[in-house]
Amino acid sequence: DAKTTQPNSMESNEEEPVHLPCNHSTISGTDYIHWYRQLPSQGPEYVIHGLTSNVNNRMASLAIAEDRKSSTLILHRATLRDAAVYYCILGAGANNLFFGTGTRLTVIP
Amino acid sequence: EADIYQTPRYLVIGTGKKITLECSQTMGHDKMYWYQQDPGMELHLIHYSYGVNSTEKGDLSSESTVSRIRTEHFPLTLESARPSHTSQYLCASVPSGTYNEQFFGPGTRLTVL
Repeated sequence: DAKTTQPNSMESNEEEPVHLPCNHSTISGTDYIHWYRQLPSQGPEYVIHGLTSNVNNRMASLAIAEDRKSSTLILHRATLRDAAVYYCILGAGANNLFFGTGTRLTVIP
Repeated sequence: EADIYQTPRYLVIGTGKKITLECSQTMGHDKMYWYQQDPGMELHLIHYSYGVNSTEKGDLSSESTVSRIRTEHFPLTLESARPSHTSQYLCASVPSGTYNEQFFGPGTRLTVL
């Protein structure tokens, strides 16, 4: 299974943009890049996914490198509610995703 | 809004007891999953099901068992709980299709004394 590498933790000031990086140098051609987040004391929730092109939705944007070996989740204006563990995951669909330890995002008021 | 429920949310129980963790979803999803997660650690897939009467073991070996008699219900059972089973158990479901997100329940935090 292709794995991802993320920083253990990051901090951001409230109302500022946040760029969460993810490296996935062994990604295969059929792997989607998925992002989930886990708020304290809750189950993970889906954030966004993409294959090759950059993606935007109401929660975030996903920027995918041209060679697909890295990607960046962008939160345009961090709020205190965005404090969570963010997981970058590879998989050909939503089945059997491997959730690593993710990046713990702290938002500073 | 996803409708996937887990009960109980918290359970403290003594060693040797039999327990069943409930997971139900009202979305008609075929695929359901059980994960185990220790604090600050990865999620580990322990069981999954692709539909009624289908159950498979996940990547992490677990002494628990599951059943899938109805589409909406995917309970997990421990016949004899031990302190090593103390963990958070998360249930998720996915609708059939080419790509679909996983919807997670709130989890059950189990403590075995």
